[in-house]
Amino acid sequence: AQSVAQPEDQVNVAEGNPLTVKCTYSVSGNPYLFWYVQYPNRGLQFLLKYITGDNLVKGSYGFEAEFNKSQTSFHLKKPSALVSDSALYFCAVRDWGSSASKIIFGSGTRLSIRP
Amino acid sequence: DTGVSQDPRHKITKRGQNVTFRCDPISEHNRLYWYRQTLGQGPEFLTYFQNEAQLEKSRLLSDRFSAERPKGSFSTLEIQRTEQGDSAMYLCASSSLAGGDTQYFGPGTRLTVL
Repeated sequence: AQSVAQPEDQVNVAEGNPLTVKCTYSVSGNPYLFWYVQYPNRGLQFLLKYITGDNLVKGSYGFEAEFNKSQTSFHLKKPSALVSDSALYFCAVRDWGSSASKIIFGSGTRLSIRP
Repeated sequence: DTGVSQDPRHKITKRGQNVTFRCDPISEHNRLYWYRQTLGQGPEFLTYFQNEAQLEKSRLLSDRFSAERPKGSFSTLEIQRTEQGDSAMYLCASSSLAGGDTQYFGPGTRLTVL
């Protein structure tokens, strides 16, 4: 069965510092991995995805993620955090055991950027 | 605005009442999904449509839940005889193979059952 784990419930970073939000995955087929962000009382916004190719994936708002097959990780990164990056971040993986293209989400990591 | 839209954004109802939510996907997307998100959790898959056909339903979707997508455009999710445990955010997403099958989400409908 496919799954993702986000080991940190909360990450706190000072504005201007680099940030990392961790995600590890478990899949039985090729890993299709995603990051979404959720602002308060809003739906999920797509940030980036990895399907194949370069291990470093660039996405929206200056975010990038590094796919590491040996460590089964897909950590989200940004070189310089902004206060406006404060939100709930979800890692997700495509469920290959399903006829639908449904995705399975992690439990989320709350990112807090202090001025 | 050409994104996914959902209506209503908020719904408060009494236990035992029926509720219906609507989702309008991105116009060129033929795939539509419903997810449910409870507080502090990631979204969980409920059901999937390809055009007008409902191709998959989660075990989470009890007999009280029904979804439709007539004519392969908008979709409705109905919950009959609501229970307090149904309180959650209901999210709709759409995608297309031509668009890389990336799912784009609507703002959600927050349901509170009193």
